[in-house]
Amino acid sequence: TQLLEQSPQFLSIQEGENLTVYCNSSSVFSSLQWYRQEPGEGPVLLVTVVTGGEVKKLKRLTFQFGDARKDSSLHITAAQPGDTGLYLCAEYYGQNFVFGPGTRLSVLP
Amino acid sequence: DTEVTQTPKHLVMGMTNKKSLKCEQHMGHRAMYWYKQKAKKPPELMFVYSYEKLSINESVPSRFSPECPNSSLLNLHLHALQPEDSALYLCASSKVGRELFFGSGTQLSVL
Repeated sequence: TQLLEQSPQFLSIQEGENLTVYCNSSSVFSSLQWYRQEPGEGPVLLVTVVTGGEVKKLKRLTFQFGDARKDSSLHITAAQPGDTGLYLCAEYYGQNFVFGPGTRLSVLP
Repeated sequence: DTEVTQTPKHLVMGMTNKKSLKCEQHMGHRAMYWYKQKAKKPPELMFVYSYEKLSINESVPSRFSPECPNSSLLNLHLHALQPEDSALYLCASSKVGRELFFGSGTQLSVL
């Protein structure tokens, strides 16, 4: 079974700061998705990365896929309170989506 | 329509009750999923339906019974649940092998 690791587990920052969270595996990803989940809601897809070395931008969010496709990062520039939530990475594996444990982000005003 | 609709939003039930969770999507997705999520944990897969056939059952107790009446609907029938079954139950759909679209979940409390 594919195991995903995410770091840090928790992150609390002030509004306006930058941050990076990470997702990695000992095995090669076929593709990787990032989701954000707010309390009491379902996860919402942010991006899918497929190609090693790929960089995708979504407003203030920048997603990178490692060259070897074994790691990915999510960088948020000038974080806002609306960015607060649980950030999950996931991979499609064996008819299932395997999720990492998540990074719980809190952005304080 | 890019929504997955789950009802009810909240459910409180006793250990002897029978209830059902419902999920609907109109995106033409042929894979539908039930996930269970405990507080501060990632979603854990319970069941996968692919082309209306049950393809994965992750050793879920028989007190949870899934049903896929057609390609747009997914139900989860609940019977004789335990307090430890209290959790957020998430439905999701996808094109087979593609990204998940989640509903907003049913917050279940078993008393």
